Amino acid sequence: RKEVEQDPGPFNVPEGATVAFNCTYSNSASQSFFWYRQDCRKEPKLLMSVYSSGNEDGRFTAQLNRASQYISLLIRDSKLSDSATYLCVVTLSTDSWGKLQFGAGTQVVVTP
Amino acid sequence: GAVVSQHPSWVICKSGTSVKIECRSLDFQATTMFWYRQFPKQSLMLMATSNEGSKATYEQGVEKDKFLINHASLTLSTLTVTSAHPEDSSFYICSAHYRTGGRGNQPQHFGDGTRLSIL
Repeated sequence: RKEVEQDPGPFNVPEGATVAFNCTYSNSASQSFFWYRQDCRKEPKLLMSVYSSGNEDGRFTAQLNRASQYISLLIRDSKLSDSATYLCVVTLSTDSWGKLQFGAGTQVVVTP
Repeated sequence: GAVVSQHPSWVICKSGTSVKIECRSLDFQATTMFWYRQFPKQSLMLMATSNEGSKATYEQGVEKDKFLINHASLTLSTLTVTSAHPEDSSFYICSAHYRTGGRGNQPQHFGDGTRLSIL
């Protein structure tokens, strides 16, 4: 079983619509959670950290459910520029010196 | 702007060639850097943790004699793929810890990645 699992998609989303997807992690000792965005043939870029209370950054909302061991990402009012692969990242440590464990990513395609 | 620089961004070479990839932290000191590899449609896999002034820590299944890591200074780590073969073709990415504040929940910042193609 993979440490971090994601639905690979693709999620085809009309421009302006809302899309949400989850990521599950297997290690209950996981401490820190992030969503990264990766464009084709590019390096991952931090989108947002995920806090226990949930957090929002503009059109992006992240939630953490420790009991069910998943995190979610919701994108509202999708833009064409939101098309990318979204990587779920988990670490066992509260300090990012700890190893990052990546999901394989969820592909989102926003269409006009 | 970028805080981690990786070079080269693209390499195409013949089988048997050794390839060196550089990872530099810009404007900050990185005592620890990480090297990842990503195959198409797969997740980033940690290869090794590069420690300044000491030997790298390799993940299980990663050949240390194949993937030589040198962290000679606080701003530079290099990964050398020795005698590369077509199966080594992949996207190699480095990252470094960049402390942006007092919170413990800090990310790593990634280099641009190096796309290695072995013919």
